Amino acid sequence: AQRVTQPEKLLSVFKGAPVELKCNYSYSGSPELFWYVQYSRQRLQLLLRHISRESIKGFTADLNKGETSFHLKKPFAQEEDSAMYYCALRSGTYKYIFGTGTRLKVLA
Amino acid sequence: EAGVAQSPRYKIIEKRQSVAFWCNPISGHATLYWYQQILGQGPKLLIQFQNNGVVDDSQLPKDRFSAERLKGVDSTLKIQPAKLEDSAVYLCASSSWASVGGGQETQYFGPGTRLLVL
Repeated sequence: AQRVTQPEKLLSVFKGAPVELKCNYSYSGSPELFWYVQYSRQRLQLLLRHISRESIKGFTADLNKGETSFHLKKPFAQEEDSAMYYCALRSGTYKYIFGTGTRLKVLA
Repeated sequence: EAGVAQSPRYKIIEKRQSVAFWCNPISGHATLYWYQQILGQGPKLLIQFQNNGVVDDSQLPKDRFSAERLKGVDSTLKIQPAKLEDSAVYLCASSSWASVGGGQETQYFGPGTRLLVL
């Protein structure tokens, strides 16, 4: 079964501390993985995709096929990073499967 | 470019009533998605259109939900009759099919319609 799991509903960190949002997936083929973010009162938007291998707003994510994980990381959290983060998997037919999301709170 | 538009933004109805949501995707986007997002959960795909054809509707409760995308542009999602458990945010998203295989296809989401069924 295709599934995306985000084990943490809420993650609170202090400003300047490292952040890691966990994402594990279950998929029989070669998945494409994404992180989406929703800031307060804004639309859900793409943060980054594994295929691009880029850093967006200081965030990076590495696809680990052995551990079926795609954790989102940032070395130094900022208050403006506070938001809801969703990990998503895209199948070969361009169907997206989202995780339940993790709310990141960055404390001053 | 203008983003994905949805209306209404909020809707309150009683159970067993019917309701319809409208979505206008980004101009030129061939793929359109409808998602249901229940409080505390991630978006769940209800139906995916490619132009005016259905690609995936495996999670659409077809006894009460219907969707159409006439002329491959705007789309409507209807619920008839509504149940209490249909209370959710209904999100529409669109993407360009032009970059298939290139890995750069991006979904753009609308603001959503928040439905409350009493």
